[in-house]
Amino acid sequence: EVQLVESGGGLVKPGGSLRLSCAASGFIFSNYNMNWVRQPPGKGLEWVSSISSRSTNIYYGDSVKGRFTISRDNAENSLYLQMNSLRAEDTAIYYCARGRSFRYGYNYFDYWGQGNMVTVSS
Amino acid sequence: QSALTQPASVSGSPEQSITISCTGTSSDLGRYNLVSWYQQHPGEAPKLLIYDVSHRPSGASDRFSGSKSGNTASLTISGLQTEDEADYYCCSYGGTSAYVIFGGGTRLTVL
Repeated sequence: EVQLVESGGGLVKPGGSLRLSCAASGFIFSNYNMNWVRQPPGKGLEWVSSISSRSTNIYYGDSVKGRFTISRDNAENSLYLQMNSLRAEDTAIYYCARGRSFRYGYNYFDYWGQGNMVTVSS
Repeated sequence: QSALTQPASVSGSPEQSITISCTGTSSDLGRYNLVSWYQQHPGEAPKLLIYDVSHRPSGASDRFSGSKSGNTASLTISGLQTEDEADYYCCSYGGTSAYVIFGGGTRLTVL
């Protein structure tokens, strides 16, 4: 059974940093693209970042480019999101999602974690 | 990047069919057949319903179907059931710098 479990969220002040982790199990992690997608409270989904199976290709949404860094450790079956210079508008549930069929920087998301809340507030 | 345009809400009665539209531009949704749809119940993670415009993943109900014409994609739900009441999001290729974009979401109410 595919499982994705996010951790590392919490309350942080504007300008601060946080590192999210996603522990994957139930599939061969090193064979799949991985992604972060976020959802502000009461609002819609926003794609954040994608990383290919061997970290060769990495993509970011415009709203996080230059502030967030996606990475993965295939030996540890883990995905990460380093978030720096956090802003109030980064407040959201952050989902880890397995990606399929990477084409032109797009992939679709076939399994999702339960999400981890990040709150940016003073 | 601009989000894809979806109606904020739709409603239908049990056993009816409804269609949710998702409109983009020729630079994003209209460029490739790279459209997916997700269902999200309150308090839960999204779930994949449709990928590559019209393909259903294994385990997804055949009451859900997808299509695309030009810059607009559509999700049709036939034989509405009460458990279909949820939020639905479209997602597509977003262009050369946006890569992945979502629609704003549509809340389906089953009356």
